[in-house]
Amino acid sequence: AQTVTQSQPEMSVQEAETVTLSCTYDTSESDYYLFWYKQPPSRQMILVIRQEAYKQQNATENRFSVNFQKAAKSFSLKISDSQLGDAAMYFCAYTQGAQKLVFGQGTRLTINP
Amino acid sequence: EAEVAQSPRYKITEKSQAVAFWCDPISGHATLYWYRQILGQGPELLVQFQDESVVDDSQLPKDRFSAERLKGVDSTLKIQPAELGDSAMYLCASSLVSRYTDTQYFGPGTRLTVL
Repeated sequence: AQTVTQSQPEMSVQEAETVTLSCTYDTSESDYYLFWYKQPPSRQMILVIRQEAYKQQNATENRFSVNFQKAAKSFSLKISDSQLGDAAMYFCAYTQGAQKLVFGQGTRLTINP
Repeated sequence: EAEVAQSPRYKITEKSQAVAFWCDPISGHATLYWYRQILGQGPELLVQFQDESVVDDSQLPKDRFSAERLKGVDSTLKIQPAELGDSAMYLCASSLVSRYTDTQYFGPGTRLTVL
């Protein structure tokens, strides 16, 4: 079965600084999708960024970018110029396509003003 | 911007009572998912629908939980009877059916408290 591991239960960063959240996963498949979702205190899960495993280029969305290392099964999220509104739980998730998302345990990110 | 709708947002019930949650996916999304999220953990799938058919309900406690999507659009998740351990956030998500577009979009969730 596929598993997703986030080894950092909590992270904190100063406003305007850069922070990297770690994620590793385990799968025997070669074709899959990886996601980072953000869940603020309001608890709605919001998509941050998406990566297709067949693409070698790392995905970017404005201040958010990923470092996708397929051989190492690693998928980290970098947040540049951190803002107070970035404070939330961040979940790494995996799917093979048209199937359930398998989530990690989450990383709570705190932004210090 | 289209969104997944869920109701109610909050539900408090006593154990042994019946509860029901409703979800309306983004228009055109054939795949609908119900997840349960216990506080401090990541969501876990309860049931997945493709149109009106169940694709995966392997983690659904079928002795007390039921789910339906009769016309392949909106869906209802029911718990009867509710137990203390059912207190959690229930999230609904939907996605397009496509080999290359598999992003799941989530609704605001229903927070269930069982007393």
